[in-house]
Amino acid sequence: GAGVSQSPSNKVTEKGKDVELRCDPISGHTALYWYRQSLGQGLEFLIYFQGNSAPDKSGLPSDRFSAERTGGSVSTLTIQRTQQEDSAVYLCASSSGTWKEKLFFGSGTQLSVL
Amino acid sequence: AQSVTQLGSHVSVSEGALVLLRCNYSSSVPPYLFWYVQYPNQGLQLLLKYTTGATLVKGINGFEAEFKKSETSFHLTKPSAHMSDAAEYFCAVRRSSASKIIFGSGTRLSIRP
Repeated sequence: GAGVSQSPSNKVTEKGKDVELRCDPISGHTALYWYRQSLGQGLEFLIYFQGNSAPDKSGLPSDRFSAERTGGSVSTLTIQRTQQEDSAVYLCASSSGTWKEKLFFGSGTQLSVL
Repeated sequence: AQSVTQLGSHVSVSEGALVLLRCNYSSSVPPYLFWYVQYPNQGLQLLLKYTTGATLVKGINGFEAEFKKSETSFHLTKPSAHMSDAAEYFCAVRRSSASKIIFGSGTRLSIRP
């Protein structure tokens, strides 16, 4: 595609429900990141996929958070038993994978947990 | 471990004045450094990057940044602010070619007429 696509753009859910956020990276990009942006908190790293390597999950805040990347393309971030503190904008970014290359960001998913 | 500190969550300058946004990093090895900008209601985009070579890096829209290893800094500057520069600016660091990119907490730049 022309850019990084994220869906849904907005998600409202009730506390305790599970949610899935989707990211379609730019075609051919081997690197994919998930970040969380909260008001006044900057961009919090969550997880990093690079090609066929094991993902760097060091930023996932709890075991309620998980992510997978199928076929080296689409990625899904799953949050189980959502809490109010999970409310944030979840951003996906991809790059061609060479270390010099810039990240291309999606528009994000605004998650609101009531 | 690598980390990024941006001093000042909010900076306000007059139109035409110097812009200085501060970024300090901690890394056990010389890192790769980036500045990204997020304009209102837009996605993040790369402003400039330092990888190797010349320590003074020029980016888009008249911005530049200087990598100072001795000070572990990568401050962003622009000689003359324009109203269109109002945005959120993020400094980022990458420790090695295979590692994740870590962002700072961001600095919101406001421009006074």
